[in-house]
Amino acid sequence: KAGVTQTPRYLIKTRGQQVTLSCSPISGHRSVSWYQQTPGQGLQFLFEYFSETQRNKGNFPGRFSGRQFSNSRSEMNVSTLELGDSALYLCASTQTGDYEQYFGPGTRLTVT
Amino acid sequence: QQQVKQSPQSLIIQKGGISIINCAYENTAFDYFPWYQQFPGKGPALLIAIRPDVSEKKEGRFTISFNKSAKQFSLHIMDSQPGDSATYFCAANLFSYNTDKLIFGTGTRLQVFP
Repeated sequence: KAGVTQTPRYLIKTRGQQVTLSCSPISGHRSVSWYQQTPGQGLQFLFEYFSETQRNKGNFPGRFSGRQFSNSRSEMNVSTLELGDSALYLCASTQTGDYEQYFGPGTRLTVT
Repeated sequence: QQQVKQSPQSLIIQKGGISIINCAYENTAFDYFPWYQQFPGKGPALLIAIRPDVSEKKEGRFTISFNKSAKQFSLHIMDSQPGDSATYFCAANLFSYNTDKLIFGTGTRLQVFP
């Protein structure tokens, strides 16, 4: 089985712009979670989607949003980018009924 | 209450030695404790995991020891190899609002020298 894929792998944006990141889960996995990883804050939970519904959300401002499509692929969007949004954004997928979360390689976002 | 405290921040071990990384938590609602290994430029990879009803789990050179009463768990890497050099994260799963959420420790950077 192919693993979790994320596109793009690297992105450079300017303050004030918006960005959309994409995640394709492992085939058959219906749950997708997003995490932000920074040197200062570590790995922090953003939100989780299952069957096109957001089931849980972390403590991030409303500028961070996401959605999931009927094929379980997910996107996250960050609007009005700030310098502090520079991070590695990771997506993880889980099979229904399992605990194990499998991570993709991440999208490295740099905001200048 | 939702934190997972991980130590040490960094660890330097000679090849063949035992690497030990510790984590502690407060929230007794956590129901699953995985360890992840992350190499530079890669996403975290699930290494080994344990449920709170088990005190120890071993997979090859990797062992999790779990102390429910002390609310602590640790990762032991036996016969550490240079290829084990990576950052290790402990995590705890919190089930709420009908979904699972991983709370991660701050990470331990392990360097194994030949």
